[in-house]
Amino acid sequence: DQQVKQNSPSLSVQEGRISILNCDYTNSMFDYFLWYKKYPAEGPTFLISISSIKDKNEDGRFTVFLNKSAKHLSLHIVPSQPGDSAVYFCAAGNQGGKLIFGQGTELSVKP
Amino acid sequence: GAGVSQSPSNKVTEKGKDVELRCDPISGHTALYWYRQSLGQGLEFLIYFQGNSAPDKSGLPSDRFSAERTGGSVSTLTIQRTQQEDSAVYLCASSLVGTSGGPAYNEQFFGPGTRLTVL
Repeated sequence: DQQVKQNSPSLSVQEGRISILNCDYTNSMFDYFLWYKKYPAEGPTFLISISSIKDKNEDGRFTVFLNKSAKHLSLHIVPSQPGDSAVYFCAAGNQGGKLIFGQGTELSVKP
Repeated sequence: GAGVSQSPSNKVTEKGKDVELRCDPISGHTALYWYRQSLGQGLEFLIYFQGNSAPDKSGLPSDRFSAERTGGSVSTLTIQRTQQEDSAVYLCASSLVGTSGGPAYNEQFFGPGTRLTVL
């Protein structure tokens, strides 16, 4: 039972354009959602998060949108840069507990 | 460095042997988590320690897996009688669990992982 799903295993975007990564979840009880970025041979690093009581959170080039009725969140990166090329994981959880991760989307930003 | 550290970075073992993986969390972090990432898969939760509470072991795939956290700091994940399907990157994370104010974003800080290969 996959509670958090990232249905696109990969995404290729031109430098300077917008990257949109999508994530769907099934458990309406999640308190918050996070996006992590992972480079090869490194652990995931935190990127941005959003509480279940909000619908948008922005941090520089990164914006996360949450649509609770659709149980869907997305990460927008604009403008995309080659250094953004990595695997992006969305995760969901409740305060102080384990995170449930999606399968990841590999983003490739081409110069 | 002040980040989460894990050792060894790579471990190759033979099927049937026991292995121990170590995690040093960020000092002062009360929560510690173990995950694993198998080839082509997402991160799979294994076990979670929070302070002095009983650990959440709901993600451990079999009774060959166990973990300890001594003195509220360092943790060891032990896999007994390893099998080839245990081959994965084992990731440790730690976090400060917020207790006041608005929603506490459980940002978990990950170590670099231990790549386990069972031959």
